[in-house]
Amino acid sequence: DQQVKQNSPSLSVQEGRISILNCDYTNSMFDYFLWYKKYPAEGPTFLISISSIKDKNEDGRFTVFLNKSAKHLSLHIVPSQPGDSAVYFCAASPPPGDYKLSFGAGTTVTVRA
Amino acid sequence: DGGITQSPKYLFRKEGQNVTLSCEQNLNHDAMYWYRQDPGQGLRLIYYSQIVNDFQKGDIAEGYSVSREKKESFPLTVTSAQKNPTAFYLCASSTDYQEKLFFGSGTQLSVL
Repeated sequence: DQQVKQNSPSLSVQEGRISILNCDYTNSMFDYFLWYKKYPAEGPTFLISISSIKDKNEDGRFTVFLNKSAKHLSLHIVPSQPGDSAVYFCAASPPPGDYKLSFGAGTTVTVRA
Repeated sequence: DGGITQSPKYLFRKEGQNVTLSCEQNLNHDAMYWYRQDPGQGLRLIYYSQIVNDFQKGDIAEGYSVSREKKESFPLTVTSAQKNPTAFYLCASSTDYQEKLFFGSGTQLSVL
């Protein structure tokens, strides 16, 4: 039973435009959310996170929005660059006491020149 | 340079064979994890360890075993009981709950 879902397996965007990646979750106990970026044959690297007490977190070109009532979060990349071409995983963390992150299936982003 | 080292990068397993994937970290992290990635699926947790000499099963522990004798090391054994072992295996560590995970570069395991 997948508790974190990324329903778009791929996204193609022109360089300089905005990339919007979506993530939905089912477990209302999740209170911390993270995005990871992964290149082929490499391990994922942490990109940005957001706590459930916030609805927005920004770090340079990356902004994550959280809508708790809809159990939905999104990652915006503005402007998109060729180096952003990668797989992006959404992850969710339950309250203290449980170390298990739940990951979505990932969205492959391709930035076209 | 601090980080997580996984070896080997590629591994082939014969039928009925046990194989062990190595994971070493020099980040002084308490928690370590093993994830499996299959095409089109998210990362699924196999085992995790919060402290030395203690570990817990994740969502797909059947056919796998681990040990945590040292803080720095968390090897994963894929046993012959794991009938579909072909996957990309990722080791990770973190300082504490909710801290971001640091991942190794992964091991691709294939069956001969």
